[in-house]
Amino acid sequence: GDQVEQSPSALSLHEGTDSALRCNFTTTMRSVQWFRQNSRGSLISLFYLASGTKENGRLKSAFDSKERRYSTLHIRDAQLEDSGTYFCAAENAGAKLTFGGGTRLTVRP
Amino acid sequence: DMKVTQMPRYLIKRMGENVLLECGQDMSHETMYWYRQDPGLGLQLIYISYDVDSNSEGDIPKGYRVSRKKREHFSLILDSAKTNQTSVYFCASSSGQGDAETLYFGSGTRLTVL
Repeated sequence: GDQVEQSPSALSLHEGTDSALRCNFTTTMRSVQWFRQNSRGSLISLFYLASGTKENGRLKSAFDSKERRYSTLHIRDAQLEDSGTYFCAAENAGAKLTFGGGTRLTVRP
Repeated sequence: DMKVTQMPRYLIKRMGENVLLECGQDMSHETMYWYRQDPGLGLQLIYISYDVDSNSEGDIPKGYRVSRKKREHFSLILDSAKTNQTSVYFCASSSGQGDAETLYFGSGTRLTVL
């Protein structure tokens, strides 16, 4: 079936640094969503993209509009509260949503 | 206030017992989902409901059934729970329309089957 591969699986950043998470799809996807799961287990939606880019504060996400086979989540000026597990989920043409395995992000002082 | 509410938050059951997980949403969303989350596996879709009494199997429906009698409620039922159904279960909802297809998740139910 469709696969969604996230990289890296784990990431450690110092406060104030920038980084990018990536989500690759084995097939063309219709849309992608990014979520953050905090230490209590709550899943919060960050972005929904059908194409192009979206930005919210220090977070910016892009969805490759040409081939629709990958998406990125950029974190600028990482803060301690950005720590958590980030999931992407992609929807194929049949409206099936598949989650990636997640990236565990730790931001250190 | 847009919310997806799951009950209970924690649940311990013995193998063979029946389990009922409840989910409610106050956004009048048509589409609701049940996922389970296991370490290293991300979230896996169990069932999806497109509206009242309009339910479809997800990727791992075996051992589960669902009920959607009102738009705002979506229940997950385990008849005769098994130990491999120990997991964290998440309910989600979405309007299912265009850019508003964002999923809203509940806080999860941690189920332990002994």
